[in-house]
Amino acid sequence: DGGITQSPKYLFRKEGQNVTLSCEQNLNHDAMYWYRQDPGQGLRLIYYSQIVNDFQKGDIAEGYSVSREKKESFPLTVTSAQKNPTAFYLCASSIGEGNKETQYFGPGTRLLVL
Amino acid sequence: GEDVEQSLFLSVREGDSSVINCTYTDSSSTYLYWYKQEPGAGLQLLTYIFSNMDMKQDQRLTVLLNKKDKHLSLRIADTQTGDSAIYFCAIDSASKIIFGSGTRLSIRP
Repeated sequence: DGGITQSPKYLFRKEGQNVTLSCEQNLNHDAMYWYRQDPGQGLRLIYYSQIVNDFQKGDIAEGYSVSREKKESFPLTVTSAQKNPTAFYLCASSIGEGNKETQYFGPGTRLLVL
Repeated sequence: GEDVEQSLFLSVREGDSSVINCTYTDSSSTYLYWYKQEPGAGLQLLTYIFSNMDMKQDQRLTVLLNKKDKHLSLRIADTQTGDSAIYFCAIDSASKIIFGSGTRLSIRP
């Protein structure tokens, strides 16, 4: 089955700790994205990558880092510099069909601070 | 930056039609999308409309686009309990997809 997987489903972070959220896709999509979802605020773009070994900051990149060493994988690290990390994190990948771009989302990771 | 706005909540009676509205600012958007998010899950593309269309119908879903007023709506006919979810309007803008804040649809018996 093709799709996007995210792990873990729930993640707990202690103060001052870096944590990494996994995102893997087997859809052969070039582009991948990380969003943060807070209640009543919709989705905010953290980082995105249009191609392997390249990525760009989104609207709220501070306190986060990413890598894109493989087409299938786009892990997100929440660093200790992110002071309010509690949120639902969504990974997506997309394929462009002309001007139409359909994003496919993973099931999400909920990050909680201890 | 460009913006997409939706009301946060909508409550409808089971069997009635639901209409979820969205306004946006980027008049150059080519495609406009509706996504559905069920509790604790990711988003799923429901439907989309190309900007040169006024209406698109797909089974119980009808999308209406008013480009002049930059207004997009999603109508769900014969709303069922399984339609309870958050619905996101999204537009393409400057090589990115911009999402609205989502409308939580609740169904009452």
